[in-house]
Amino acid sequence: GAGVSQSPRYKVAKRGQDVALRCDPISGHVSLFWYQQALGQGPEFLTYFQNEAQLDKSGLPSDRFFAERPEGSVSTLKIQRTQQEDSAVYLCASSEWTASSGNTIYFGEGSWLTVV
Amino acid sequence: KQEVTQIPAALSVPEGENLVLNCSFTDSAIYNLQWFRQDPGKGLTSLLLIQSSQREQTSGRLNASLDKSSGRSTLYIAASQPGDSATYLCAVNKGAQKLVFGQGTRLTINP
Repeated sequence: GAGVSQSPRYKVAKRGQDVALRCDPISGHVSLFWYQQALGQGPEFLTYFQNEAQLDKSGLPSDRFFAERPEGSVSTLKIQRTQQEDSAVYLCASSEWTASSGNTIYFGEGSWLTVV
Repeated sequence: KQEVTQIPAALSVPEGENLVLNCSFTDSAIYNLQWFRQDPGKGLTSLLLIQSSQREQTSGRLNASLDKSSGRSTLYIAASQPGDSATYLCAVNKGAQKLVFGQGTRLTINP
């Protein structure tokens, strides 16, 4: 596709439920990022992949959060035993090379998670 | 820890005005700084990217400047239009592949 695609766009989960959020980056993009955006705030970094390697997961808020990109393309962000504070928009982004090289980063429209 | 602050949090101006959005950051050791636009319910669109060695970048009616020594960047929008209404976010890249974002400025252009 032409851009970064995320699914589902909207998810309502009951507290304690597990959720999986999918990201299809732009074809051929090496770098993939996950960010979390709370209402009225700027996005906050969660994790970064270079191809299939997860090089930085320092932003994951707890061990309930897990991300993978097994074949270096599609990525999944999994949240186990969801809690109300997990309610946020989860943004996926990709870039052709590494972020520090100055390549443009392309964001998806996000997966809006509400935990009730 | 790098902190990014954007002032003002919200701005409402009449159509046609020139305006300036401000971004400040606490650690001047950055690779680059980007300005993004976010429309309601949408993802982020990259507007301008300034490398640490550059002073400014221009795209159409947008001009972004960077003063690393003072930890400041400004986004100048000329001849504002209602379609410019959105939230504008600045983000600094310190390397390690992560962007640190400000909270954004919510801009409303009134016809």
